[in-house]
Order: sequence, then structure tokens, then C-alpha cells
Amino acid sequence: DAGVTQSPTHLIKTRGQQVTLRCSPKSGHDTVSWYQQALGQGPQFIFQYYEEEERQRGNFPDRFSGHQFPNYSSELNVNALLLGDSALYLCASSLASGAYNEQFFGPGTRLTVL
Amino acid sequence: DAKTTQPNSMESNEEEPVHLPCNHSTISGTDYIHWYRQLPSQGPEYVIHGLTSNVNNRMASLAIAEDRKSSTLILHRATLRDAAVYYCILRAPFSGSARQLTFGSGTQLTVLP
Repeated sequence: DAGVTQSPTHLIKTRGQQVTLRCSPKSGHDTVSWYQQALGQGPQFIFQYYEEEERQRGNFPDRFSGHQFPNYSSELNVNALLLGDSALYLCASSLASGAYNEQFFGPGTRLTVL
Repeated sequence: DAKTTQPNSMESNEEEPVHLPCNHSTISGTDYIHWYRQLPSQGPEYVIHGLTSNVNNRMASLAIAEDRKSSTLILHRATLRDAAVYYCILRAPFSGSARQLTFGSGTQLTVLP
């Protein structure tokens, strides 16, 4: 049973560019959440997708957008990249009907903005 | 979400027990206490959670104070593989949609051989 997978593993972009990160949830999971983790800090919640809609959003600007596909996989898009967007981007999946909503995390995508 | 307070770092010797504290004095009566850990170069992973009673699983034990204002994650026999950042997180009960995790800075656990 494959866990949460993310692609790419690493990415280097320049300021002003756009980036798309991808996530495949754990088998059987229907909810995907995205987190940003700056160096030395805990992950910060970006948004969550369920039934192909954004259900919750953290304190992130509109430059951050996402999508969920019918197969529950998800994309995170970031426009007009800033140096401060350099971070590890984590995807987590869960089951909305699960009793405790335990979240399973992928290994992350390391984004470097130059 | 209510706030948690954890020490920035702790050290332990291999094969000895480790007690990782967490203070959450503003916890609401229905908040669950969750612990996640993040091994180097990996995403966080679930460790354990509880509401009022102490909990045990194959990874760890969770001891919850009677007033619920603090809790302690117990690793009974630390191994080098347990070196990680440990996060104590409060979560509201299941409400029909999965709720996000609010991470603090966590405790960096170093295990000495």
C-alpha cells in the first residue's frame, strides 16, 4: 500500500516564476492538506481540499492556489514566487469520515527560489 | 486553536526512557491532544493521541494530567531512530470535515549512543 507521494522532490525557481507541486494521497483517503515548512520551523497550514473543493484555508495569500482531482490527487500552485516562498512543501492525506482524522504526510517537495 | 508550550530541545541516552512535556493551559474540554514527530528529511508522522485517559500504543505512551493542562509523551526505551522533532498539537473533535494541524516549534530530541 503506497503512502502519500509527492513530486518533484526538489525544485529550483527564480523570483516571479510560477510553480506546480503534486501530491497523491494514501490509498483510500479523500482529503488532502498542504503545509509549508520554513527551515527550523513547524509546518504551517496552507489549505485543505475535500470533494474537489477548498474547505479550509490558512493565512496565505491568493498567490497560493490548489486543485483536487476526481481521483483525490492534488496540486499546489504558487504564482509570482518570492524569495520567502523557499521552503519544504508537505502534503498530508486523511479520511474525512475517519474517527480521528489522522493525517499521513508525504516526504515533501523542497522549493528553492533564487 | 489553543496554544501548546514545549521545550525547544531535550537529550536522552539510548535505551533509556524519555519524557517529553507539553503545557496546554488553555485547552478546551473537547480538544484532543495529538503528538506527531518529524524524523530528519521526512514529513511528520502520527505518534499518539488522547482525550482524558492515559493511552498506550506500540510507539509510545501518553500521560495526561488530571486537569488536562499538561501532558507527557513517554518513549519507554529511546533508540537512535527516535531522534526527531516532536510536536504536541491540540485538535478540536471531529466535526464532519478533517481539521488542519496547527504545529508549534516542537521539541528537538537528541538521542545519545
